[in-house]
Amino acid sequence: AQSVTQLDSQVPVFEEAPVELRCNYSSSVSVYLFWYVQYPNQGLQLLLKYLSGSTLVKGINGFEAEFNKSQTSFHLRKPSVHISDTAEYFCAVIFLSGTYKYIFGTGTRLKVLA
Amino acid sequence: NAGVTQTPKFRVLKTGQSMTLLCAQDMNHEYMYWYRQDPGMGLRLIHYSVGEGTTAKGEVPDGYNVSRLKKQNFLLGLESAAPSQTSVYFCASSRPLDTQYFGPGTRLTVL
Repeated sequence: AQSVTQLDSQVPVFEEAPVELRCNYSSSVSVYLFWYVQYPNQGLQLLLKYLSGSTLVKGINGFEAEFNKSQTSFHLRKPSVHISDTAEYFCAVIFLSGTYKYIFGTGTRLKVLA
Repeated sequence: NAGVTQTPKFRVLKTGQSMTLLCAQDMNHEYMYWYRQDPGMGLRLIHYSVGEGTTAKGEVPDGYNVSRLKKQNFLLGLESAAPSQTSVYFCASSRPLDTQYFGPGTRLTVL
């Protein structure tokens, strides 16, 4: 079955430290990949997406992600986090076969500490 | 542009009552979705629509019904609310195979 895994449910990190949030998906079929951010009491909003082209994707707020087809991963990174980055981050995948399902991971709560 | 709006923002129901959540989008998107978000469970798809007049079941459709009579609106109904339906409900819209745009959510409590 097609699935999206975010292994880390919570990631604490100190301000100005780098962070990586991990996302893996289950299938080797072609995919479109997304990262969304959800601030407290808000809906999700897009951080970045990969549809085709360069495997290194840059998004808003200094985030970037790299698509690794052989490892079926799309990890999100930021070299230096701020307190304002405290939020929940969701990886999402569209598997480009069959029913073209849009599947979200269960989310990673990033807590930036002063 | 307002994007995706949801009405109401908060609601408290008693067990057995019914209600309808309204989602509206002004981006002319074909696809619309209803999700529920519960602690530790991420987003779960309730129902979705790929065009006016069409709806389909998602991952957790039981106890909910939907209608998409107009392209810009997607309604989610609870016919007989249960405490297990206490949740935050999000509506989203998108073009096919692209970014989903989310509303601000509706916080529903069923007593």
